[in-house]
Amino acid sequence: NAGVTQTPKFQVLKTGQSMTLQCAQDMNHEYMSWYRQDPGMGLRLIHYSVGAGITDQGEVPNGYNVSRSTTEDFPLRLLSAAPSQTSVYFCASSYSQGSSQPQHFGDGTRLSIL
Amino acid sequence: GDSVTQMEGPVTLSEEAFLTINCTYTATGYPSLFWYVQYPGEGLQLLLKATKADDKGSNKGFEATYRKETTSFHLEKGSVQVSDSAVYFCALRSYNTDKLIFGTGTRLQVFP
Repeated sequence: NAGVTQTPKFQVLKTGQSMTLQCAQDMNHEYMSWYRQDPGMGLRLIHYSVGAGITDQGEVPNGYNVSRSTTEDFPLRLLSAAPSQTSVYFCASSYSQGSSQPQHFGDGTRLSIL
Repeated sequence: GDSVTQMEGPVTLSEEAFLTINCTYTATGYPSLFWYVQYPGEGLQLLLKATKADDKGSNKGFEATYRKETTSFHLEKGSVQVSDSAVYFCALRSYNTDKLIFGTGTRLQVFP
């Protein structure tokens, strides 16, 4: 099983550029989420989705957009990249029923904004 | 709101030493608790979990017990190996919102 697949693995952008980080899962999970990981701050939730057509904001949503047109895909869009968005981004998925379900993580996208 | 606090690292140990990484939480209701591990250059992997009070999660020699009275979920291993060197994250998943809340992570370095 592929699990959670993120592309690209690395990306360098210039300030003001836009791009989309892709995330796909093949486990038929309803719950998907995006995190950013920064030194000394753990993982912070950007946006999440409890099912196709439904998205909501997490802890740090500003500067990011998401959509969920299918169960499998949950892309994250940077509208106008800023140096503060330099980070490692992780996508995760899980069954939504019940808090006991662990989340499965992709390998991450390392993003640098110059 | 819900939160997780874990000890700062790095934790530096010699091989075969005993490991404890402290984790405490604040949450409403009855969250599930998790430990995730991140090896260099990789994503997070679930290490163990516990879903109710007094549950003990265990995997690969690691253990953690859900202590509701002290709101803690400390990670322990009796004898660490060099291959255990990684960053360990304590996390809770809220019963009400399904959100996963992480601690800041603790880097473990094990030397031969």
